Amino acid sequence: QVQLVESGGGVVRPGTSLRLSCVASGFSFGSYDMNWVRQAPGQGLEWVAFTSYDGRNKHHAESVKGRLSVSRDNSKNTLYLEMNSLRVEDTAVYHCARDFGQVAVDSWGPGTQVIVSP
Amino acid sequence: DVQMTQSPASLSASIGDRVTITCRASQGISSYLAWYQQKPGKVPKLLIYSTSALHSGVPSRFSGSGSGTDFTLTISSLQPEDAATYYCQRYSTPPFTFGQGTRLEIK
Repeated sequence: QVQLVESGGGVVRPGTSLRLSCVASGFSFGSYDMNWVRQAPGQGLEWVAFTSYDGRNKHHAESVKGRLSVSRDNSKNTLYLEMNSLRVEDTAVYHCARDFGQVAVDSWGPGTQVIVSP
Repeated sequence: DVQMTQSPASLSASIGDRVTITCRASQGISSYLAWYQQKPGKVPKLLIYSTSALHSGVPSRFSGSGSGTDFTLTISSLQPEDAATYYCQRYSTPPFTFGQGTRLEIK
């Protein structure tokens, strides 16, 4: 079955960097577009970034542009989120999520928590 | 960017009730609208995509409708396990914005 497992979260200071990873299994990772979605404590869902199946097309939310960057390594079945210049408002659980036919997201990882605190 | 606004923010209903949640886009998004259900401590679950297509395994009491800017999620007969927060999401071209969520409680 489809499995997505994120890692790399932690507690960091504002202005520092972090790299999140999401290892996929149970499906042909290199054939699927992928997303990162985050959820701040007690808050709603926020879409963060998208990458096409081959990594050629990428899009980021305005709130993270220039600081967070999505990438992937299909040879390792892994999705990444490079996080630079972190802010307190980036505190959230970060989920990787698989695209479903370019109409929705159908599978989510359990998430990795990022806490940005002075 | 297109903004997605859900209403109500929360509601309380009884078992067997018909429940409707609305999602309004700030501009037309064609039919690229999805609905998710999230229970506390769990990841979201896809219910409906392309406005009205029921995802595999989702009970038929859930349905979606709408077009352009106005969309609805309907639960025809509310069940205890439907207590959750529901989110709409536009999924045409990025950004794939979510609505702010609607919390559904059972009376």
